[in-house]
Amino acid sequence: SQTIHQWPATLVQPVGSPLSLECTVEGTSNPNLYWYRQAAGRGLQLLFYSVGIGQISSEVPQNLSASRPQDRQFILSSKKLLLSDSGFYLCAWSSRDRGNTIYFGEGSWLTVV
Amino acid sequence: GENVEQHPSTLSVQEGDSAVIKCTYSDSASNYFPWYKQELGKGPQLIIDIRSNVGEKKDQRIAVTLNKTAKHFSLHITETQPEDSAVYFCAASPLAGGNNRLAFGKGNQVVVIP
Repeated sequence: SQTIHQWPATLVQPVGSPLSLECTVEGTSNPNLYWYRQAAGRGLQLLFYSVGIGQISSEVPQNLSASRPQDRQFILSSKKLLLSDSGFYLCAWSSRDRGNTIYFGEGSWLTVV
Repeated sequence: GENVEQHPSTLSVQEGDSAVIKCTYSDSASNYFPWYKQELGKGPQLIIDIRSNVGEKKDQRIAVTLNKTAKHFSLHITETQPEDSAVYFCAASPLAGGNNRLAFGKGNQVVVIP
């Protein structure tokens, strides 16, 4: 069966510090991978999606970047965090052999102080 | 692009009663409509989905109905229980190619009162 892991689960970082959130998917090949952010209003905002290694599409201009160094690994990064980067970050995956349904990880709480 | 709206934003129901959440969408090309349940501090979990070749789908106490003409779909929860309290998200997208970019609604907070 397929599983998704993201870490760390909780992170408190000072303004101006770097960020690295990691996500891995197991049990599937060549998945589409996604990073979402969920702010206090509960809505889900798509930040990045990837259809393959090294292929990243950005949905909104921001202080963050994403990379996909391996087929089932997706990394969300920042060189210098802003207060406004605080939020709940969700990694997700989908694949054709699962009907393109999107499955979410457990999320990472980021607080920038 | 697709625009999905959910109503109401908050819904309180007495335990044992039914809850209904309605979503509307704008893009007539959308043909895939999932519903997610998100408990506090956790990632959204898929609870049911429907594709446009059917009008209704049921799984135990939950069901989803789709009206493609009116561009709306609804989640029905019967015999609600306290563990049904959560935020529910609807979404819509066209099922084309390998890149599924769902458009999500803003979520409904459902509170089941014991």
